[in-house]
Amino acid sequence: QVQLVQSGAEVKKPGASVKVSCKASGYTFTSYGISWVRQAPGQGLEWMGWISAYNGNTNYAQKLQGRVTMTTDTSTSTAYMELRSLRSDDTAVYYCAREFIAVAGGVYYYYMDVWGKGTTVTVSS
Amino acid sequence: EIVLTQSPGTLSLSPGERATLSCRASQSVSSSYLAWYQQKPGQAPRLLIYGASSRATGIPDRFSGSGSGTDFTLTISRLEPEDFAVYYCQQYGSSPEWTFGQGTKVEIK
Repeated sequence: QVQLVQSGAEVKKPGASVKVSCKASGYTFTSYGISWVRQAPGQGLEWMGWISAYNGNTNYAQKLQGRVTMTTDTSTSTAYMELRSLRSDDTAVYYCAREFIAVAGGVYYYYMDVWGKGTTVTVSS
Repeated sequence: EIVLTQSPGTLSLSPGERATLSCRASQSVSSSYLAWYQQKPGQAPRLLIYGASSRATGIPDRFSGSGSGTDFTLTISRLEPEDFAVYYCQQYGSSPEWTFGQGTKVEIK
């Protein structure tokens, strides 16, 4: 079945970097994009950015520009999200999600149909 | 940047009641780019509705979506115990980029 398996929880000090992985299985990895979404404790969902697993093109949320890098390794069907210069407000659960594009009657539909279980990143001194 | 505003913030209802959740966009959104998700505590979001009104695979027909332009609605016709959760609307924008509403919590009254 289609699934995204994320790496385990991380505890980092302020100023450090974290790299979270998201391993895909059950589908052709390069046929879909991957988005990263985070959720601070008790807060809503925040989109961080997107990467095309086909060609590596990326688009990052403006507030994270310069601190985040998303990559893929097509040989292992794995997506990565690295966040640098960590601050306490980066403490959150980080999710990867598959971007699905459907076409019906000439109309394009976009949504996130499969999600990883999340990786907790705690930033604390 | 399109902003999605969900209301109410919290909806207190009893099992069997009807839930109506609103999602308003700051500018017109293509219906095919509007989705709804359900999230339960400690779990990842789950896709409920895409294209504003199409149910995702395996979603019960008590869930329905409607709307167009700037106003979208998620309706749960008769709340089951497992439906008490937080619901998010989401829209896709070119670039590509995604925006979520702040969420509506449906709690047991």
